Amino acid sequence: DAGVTQSPTHLIKTRGQQVTLRCSPKSGHDTVSWYQQALGQGPQFIFQYYEEEERQRGNFPDRFSGHQFPNYSSELNVNALLLGDSALYLCASSSGQGYQETQYFGPGTRLLVL
Amino acid sequence: QQQVKQSPQSLIVQKGGISIINCAYENTAFDYFPWYQQFPGKGPALLIAIRPDVSEKKEGRFTISFNKSAKQFSLHIMDSQPGDSATYFCAATSGSGGGADGLTFGKGTHLIIQP
Repeated sequence: DAGVTQSPTHLIKTRGQQVTLRCSPKSGHDTVSWYQQALGQGPQFIFQYYEEEERQRGNFPDRFSGHQFPNYSSELNVNALLLGDSALYLCASSSGQGYQETQYFGPGTRLLVL
Repeated sequence: QQQVKQSPQSLIVQKGGISIINCAYENTAFDYFPWYQQFPGKGPALLIAIRPDVSEKKEGRFTISFNKSAKQFSLHIMDSQPGDSATYFCAATSGSGGGADGLTFGKGTHLIIQP
């Protein structure tokens, strides 16, 4: 049973560029959440997708956007990159059915903005 | 405003000792409290979790103690081993019945177990 997978593993961009990160949830999961983890900090919630719609959003600007596909996979897009966007971007999947809170994380995508 | 405060920031424990990490939360709507373990270069892995209807949960060497009135919870690692050396995060969320809301994490504790 494959866990949460993310691609690419590493990415280098320059300020002002745009980036797209991808996530495939754990088998049987239909909800995807994205987090940003700066070096030495805890992950911060960006947003969550369920049934192809943004269900909840954290305190991140509109430069951060996402999408969920019918197969439950998801993309995170960041526009107009800033140096401060350099971080590990984590995807977590969970079940939206019933009272299931457990979120399982992928290995992350390390983004460096120069 | 940090909604989950975690301490200590770093911790050194001798092999075989007890490691204790504490967290406090502010949002009374939180009703699910997981702990995650993260190794360098990896994503966080769920270790153990608790709901506020119980005061303690034990899984192997890992125990969560929960004090709802004080809005505090802690992780105890018994018989700590060098392989337990990692960064530990407490987190909290409110399960609205339709799946998990976004997790609010503490800032993490860097645990080192000395052989």
